[in-house]
Amino acid sequence: EAGVVQSPRYKIIEKKQPVAFWCNPISGHNTLYWYLQNLGQGPELLIRYENEEAVDDSQLPKDRFSAERLKGVDSTLKIQPAELGDSAVYLCASSSIAGGPSNEQFFGPGTRLTVL
Amino acid sequence: AQKVTQAQTEISVVEKEDVTLDCVYETRDTTYYLFWYKQPPSGELVFLIRRNSFDEQNEISGRYSWNFQKSTSSFNFTITASQVVDSAVYFCALSVGTGFQKLVFGTGTRLLVSP
Repeated sequence: EAGVVQSPRYKIIEKKQPVAFWCNPISGHNTLYWYLQNLGQGPELLIRYENEEAVDDSQLPKDRFSAERLKGVDSTLKIQPAELGDSAVYLCASSSIAGGPSNEQFFGPGTRLTVL
Repeated sequence: AQKVTQAQTEISVVEKEDVTLDCVYETRDTTYYLFWYKQPPSGELVFLIRRNSFDEQNEISGRYSWNFQKSTSSFNFTITASQVVDSAVYFCALSVGTGFQKLVFGTGTRLLVSP
């Protein structure tokens, strides 16, 4: 079974430029998560999707960040414009069943963003 | 509020040594889950174990073992006879309640196992 796929793995941009990250969850997983991981920190949830609906985006900085999950499968996270402080690793995860704290989340390898 | 503390930032051991990674959690909920994830240099987090608040039995899986103690709000992870491949960052995480599984992660412990 293929795991969570993310691209690109690395991205270097100049500040004020836009950037987008793509995630393809494990087949059949209807719940998709985007996390932000700063250097030396644990991941922090940005947004959670149940199918194509964003059910928890309270931690997403909506002035510059946006996300979509059209058709309820793959997802895109966008930053426009990027700031120096956005340099971090952006992780995508998926799980098979909505709700229930026992459900295991499967993580992708992440996209490491560097903003110059 | 929920919080996970991993006080050990980095641990260095020599291969075959045993090592324990500490995790202390805070929550007022009586129903919660605790997790350990491994993050190798490749970047993806790998699920290791999940424990619910009603099950304090310790668990052993090969060279890995976990000690859950509600009295001290700790969920420690021990690797026996460490190997170089165990080198990674290990995260402890907490989710509460019976609804959505929002994971609250600790800051991680970097384990370096040298030959």
